Amino acid sequence: TQLLEQSPQFLSIQEGENLTVYCNSSSVFSSLQWYRQEPGEGPVLLVTVVTGGEVKKLKRLTFQFGDARKDSSLHITAAQPGDTGLYLCAGGSGGSNYKLTFGKGTLLTVNP
Amino acid sequence: GAVVSQHPSWVICKSGTSVKIECRSLDFQATTMFWYRQFPKQSLMLMATSNEGSKATYEQGVEKDKFLINHASLTLSTLTVTSAHPEDSSFYICSARLSTRGPQHFGDGTRLSIL
Repeated sequence: TQLLEQSPQFLSIQEGENLTVYCNSSSVFSSLQWYRQEPGEGPVLLVTVVTGGEVKKLKRLTFQFGDARKDSSLHITAAQPGDTGLYLCAGGSGGSNYKLTFGKGTLLTVNP
Repeated sequence: GAVVSQHPSWVICKSGTSVKIECRSLDFQATTMFWYRQFPKQSLMLMATSNEGSKATYEQGVEKDKFLINHASLTLSTLTVTSAHPEDSSFYICSARLSTRGPQHFGDGTRLSIL
């Protein structure tokens, strides 16, 4: 069974601070996706990374896929209250039965 | 962009009732859809993979007779929770993908409350 460990589980910071969320596994994934979910809604895809060592930037968010494709990180610069939500990483694997394995999520609260 | 619609968004019903949840891909055809369950402030747990025209593949520990899945067309999958009980109360979310290794696009979920 493939597992994704996500840390921290909870994070409460002040507006303007920087933060990093980590997603680690002992398994190799062919791709890794980051989602953000707000209460009562479905997850919304932020980014997909597929190449070891890949770095992608989305405004104030920077995503990195580890060289061995077993881990990933999400860094947010100058966090804003609108960044508040549940951040989920998900690893993709399998051939014809390709599916996602989700981490437990990081609940981020950015206080004004 | 790809849009997935889920209906209903909220259901409250008595114990013993069967509840059907629909998942539609609005602007693309999805040969595969997924059904997840999520408890408050927790992550998504995959319940089953829904394949158009064939039987669903259930994850270990998920009762196939309890959670009936039908994927009769390329744009619609349904999940029926049969004889629902309070422990079945949860947030159920579906997703669909355009290609085998493409990203999944999620519906907005269905909040199921069994009294």
